[in-house]
Amino acid sequence: DIQMTQSPSSLSASVGDRVTITCRASQSITSYLNWYQQKPGKAPKLLIYAASSLQSGVPSRFSGSGSGTDFTLTISSLQPEDFATYYCQQTYRAPPITFGQGTRLEI
Amino acid sequence: QVQLQESGPGLVKPSETLSLTCTVSGGSISTYYWSWIRQPPGKGLEWIGYTYNSGSTNYNPSLKSRVTISVDMSNNQFSLKLNSVTAADTAVYYCARGHYYMDVWGKGTTATVSS
Repeated sequence: DIQMTQSPSSLSASVGDRVTITCRASQSITSYLNWYQQKPGKAPKLLIYAASSLQSGVPSRFSGSGSGTDFTLTISSLQPEDFATYYCQQTYRAPPITFGQGTRLEI
Repeated sequence: QVQLQESGPGLVKPSETLSLTCTVSGGSISTYYWSWIRQPPGKGLEWIGYTYNSGSTNYNPSLKSRVTISVDMSNNQFSLKLNSVTAADTAVYYCARGHYYMDVWGKGTTATVSS
């Protein structure tokens, strides 16, 4: 199985901050990397697919980069509604599709 | 706009079979892959498997011996069956569209395994 490791596991930030979350794969996954946002009691929401493509309707302050084993999700200027848990996901080699453990973004 | 809705019993007894259905509205089930993902209380996301309209499936090896995912084209639904459940299968179960990425999700349904 391909292991996905996110860092940090939790992060405190303020409105207006620039925030970066990292995801590392245990082997190369080329660009088969997606990012999701999940708020408490809600389903995950797709933000970024194929490492750097912004899902329709997602604000442009979200961006993704990377390829191979190292990826980042960047929020350029945090808004109050961005406080949530973020997950990376690899779909390069399935089964199984695997997720990172999550990064909790707090005020 | 495509919407997904999970349904099924909220309480299942240990050793029995968990059966859930995902109803797809606002679009056809025939042209996409469809996935199931679960999330135990306070934990992260676990992919269960996906299916396509041809009946082809792909399952998480950790669950493969207990899982069946199928499509009902006539009712625009797909379903999940997980047998021999234990307390470790207690989770919120989500259905979603896609397999390279999941762009539409249901709201999730909680399934609790308890006697």
